[in-house]
Amino acid sequence: GQNIDQPTEMTATEGAIVQINCTYQTSGFNGLFWYQQHAGEAPTFLSYNVLDGLEEKGRFSSFLSRSKGYSYLLLKELQMKDSASYLCAVRDSNYQLIWGAGTKLIIKP
Amino acid sequence: GAVVSQHPSRVICKSGTSVKIECRSLDFQATTMFWYRQFPKKSLMLMATSNEGSKATYEQGVEKDKFLINHASLTLSTLTVTSAHPEDSSFYICSARDGDKVTEAFFGQGTRLTVV
Repeated sequence: GQNIDQPTEMTATEGAIVQINCTYQTSGFNGLFWYQQHAGEAPTFLSYNVLDGLEEKGRFSSFLSRSKGYSYLLLKELQMKDSASYLCAVRDSNYQLIWGAGTKLIIKP
Repeated sequence: GAVVSQHPSRVICKSGTSVKIECRSLDFQATTMFWYRQFPKKSLMLMATSNEGSKATYEQGVEKDKFLINHASLTLSTLTVTSAHPEDSSFYICSARDGDKVTEAFFGQGTRLTVV
């Protein structure tokens, strides 16, 4: 079966750095996405990785290792507004998105 | 990024009635649209994939006759929840793929449906 694993909840301090991990087992791989979702709102796109390595975009970076079926989202200089759920999703061989359950990130002052 | 508009954002309806949710791609042609359902503190559950001009492909366990999907044009897909029941209360989200940009799926704002 297809499976995406990410921690249920994480807590971090404002101004700090946090890394959210995602491991996956899917039938085929056509890219990995990270989305941010605030409560009651739809997900918003953060990053996309299809090749191994690190993609940096401002305070957010995303890393992919296809051989290990592993990705992480790195958030730097955390702000209170970063409190949200972060969803990892993999596009499989049928070009469908397989979603993780999301990681709820709590930022404390 | 591309814009997907979903309407209404919130709707309350009585049991037994039907509710239509619209999903529009505003600045691109969406050959494929996806309908998701999300329960509180849960991840997105794909309900169906709709391709313009053809019948939607439903995921296992999703009732086709209850959740009617129409994708009549390249910019509009609709989801109709028929004979709604309280257990249909949920957050429904559509997303659209811009055929020229396979790297992203753009999401609508979501619809909070409450059936009383």
